[in-house]
Amino acid sequence: KAGVTQTPRYLIKTRGQQVTLSCSPISGHRSVSWYQQTPGQGLQFLFEYFSETQRNKGNFPGRFSGRQFSNSRSEMNVSTLELGDSALYLCASSTAGLDYGYTFGSGTRLTVV
Amino acid sequence: GESVGLHLPTLSVQEGDNSIINCAYSNSASDYFIWYKQESGKGPQFIIDIRSNMDKRQGQRVTVLLNKTVKHLSLQIAATQPGDSAVYFCAETPGIGGYNKLIFGAGTRLAVHP
Repeated sequence: KAGVTQTPRYLIKTRGQQVTLSCSPISGHRSVSWYQQTPGQGLQFLFEYFSETQRNKGNFPGRFSGRQFSNSRSEMNVSTLELGDSALYLCASSTAGLDYGYTFGSGTRLTVV
Repeated sequence: GESVGLHLPTLSVQEGDNSIINCAYSNSASDYFIWYKQESGKGPQFIIDIRSNMDKRQGQRVTVLLNKTVKHLSLQIAATQPGDSAVYFCAETPGIGGYNKLIFGAGTRLAVHP
C-alpha cells in the first residue's frame, strides 16, 4: 500500500513569506505528526493531530501551525519565514498510537533565502 | 529544542562484522523506545522497538538492549552489510499513546566498508 506522501519535496522561499506543506498519511491512519530536522537541532517534534484535533504541540513559536482534515490529510503552515526555518520537515502517520512506531514520509526540504 | 546534542558520531565497520550503536536516553519515565534508520534523502525508517518492561528484543539481524538502571539503549546489527550504511536514531517516549511525542537522540552514522 502507498506510504506517507509529502508534497512538495523541495521548496525555496524568501524571508518573510509563508509556506504550506502537505502530508497524506497511509490509508486508515488517523494520527499525523510533524517533525523538523536540522543538522544543528536534530529531529524535533512540532505537533500531532488525530481526528482533526491537535493533541500535542512541541516548543515552537506560534508561526508554526497545522491542521488536519476529515480525510486525515494534514497541512502545516509556517508564517513570516526566517532563515533558521530552513530544514527537512517530516510527517509521520500511525493508526492511533505509537505502536510499531510511526511511518515517516520522505519529507519536504524547505530552504529560506 | 529538545533533541540531544549537536555532534553526530560515526561508527565505521567492515562488511560482515557486528555493529553496536549506543544511545543514552534522558527521561527515566520513558516507557517506549524505538530505533530508526535514515538513509540519505529519506525519512526515518522503523527498525525495532522495545517497551520498558523488557530488556532485550530481537528482530531480523538486529537486537535492541535496554538498561533502565543507567538509561542506556543499544542496537546490535549482526553481519553488517553495505546496505546498513545510514544514520541511526534512538527515540524515547513516555508512552505509546499517539499524542506522545518522540524525543530523538542526535544520531549515529554507520559506515560499512567492503
